[in-house]
Amino acid sequence: NAGVMQNPRHLVRRRGQEARLRCSPMKGHSHVYWYRQLPEEGLKFMVYLQKENIIDESGMPKERFSAEFPKEGPSILRIQQVVRGDSAAYFCASGTASSGANVLTFGAGSRLTVL
Amino acid sequence: QKEVEQDPGPLSVPEGAIVSLNCTYSNSAFQYFMWYRQYSRKGPELLMYTYSSGNKEDGRFTAQVDKSSKYISLFIRDSQPSDSATYLCAMGDKKTSYDKVIFGPGTSLSVIP
Repeated sequence: NAGVMQNPRHLVRRRGQEARLRCSPMKGHSHVYWYRQLPEEGLKFMVYLQKENIIDESGMPKERFSAEFPKEGPSILRIQQVVRGDSAAYFCASGTASSGANVLTFGAGSRLTVL
Repeated sequence: QKEVEQDPGPLSVPEGAIVSLNCTYSNSAFQYFMWYRQYSRKGPELLMYTYSSGNKEDGRFTAQVDKSSKYISLFIRDSQPSDSATYLCAMGDKKTSYDKVIFGPGTSLSVIP
């Protein structure tokens, strides 16, 4: 079991470019969460998706950010027209119910730097 | 008031010390509680989870939950340099169709040999 796979691990973009971050959940998991972590801050919830369905995007900025989880392939977090404030670590997690608790398994993260 | 608050760090202790990490929360709907450990430039990894008030022990780690006071703690006995990391508390709210997990801001711990 390869765990939650995220790529790229590091991404550098100039202001105005697009960033695409990919996440493949653990085998057998059909839902993913995306979190953003700014330096010296905790994990902030962004979006929760199931296959072909966005369940909760209450943490997503209203503009420039979008997420999808197609029937086939990884989940993608897309940031259009990046700005310096988008520089952060973006973590994906997949979960499963275990004894009633949703225990998340995280990927190693994708670190976005906007120049 | 933030949903989840955590003692600010950084925390520095000598090897062998007992470490106490704490979180408070405001949302009484939270039903289960977790502690994650995050090493520098890595993803968080689950240490412990529980969904009832009381203590849960796993080796050198003890998680304590007091739902009446909306307070959770993680105790680390005989701390080791390898315990140096950021510790994140997390809380789950089971909604109708899925579980929403909220994280505290984290406490950075350094265990000095």
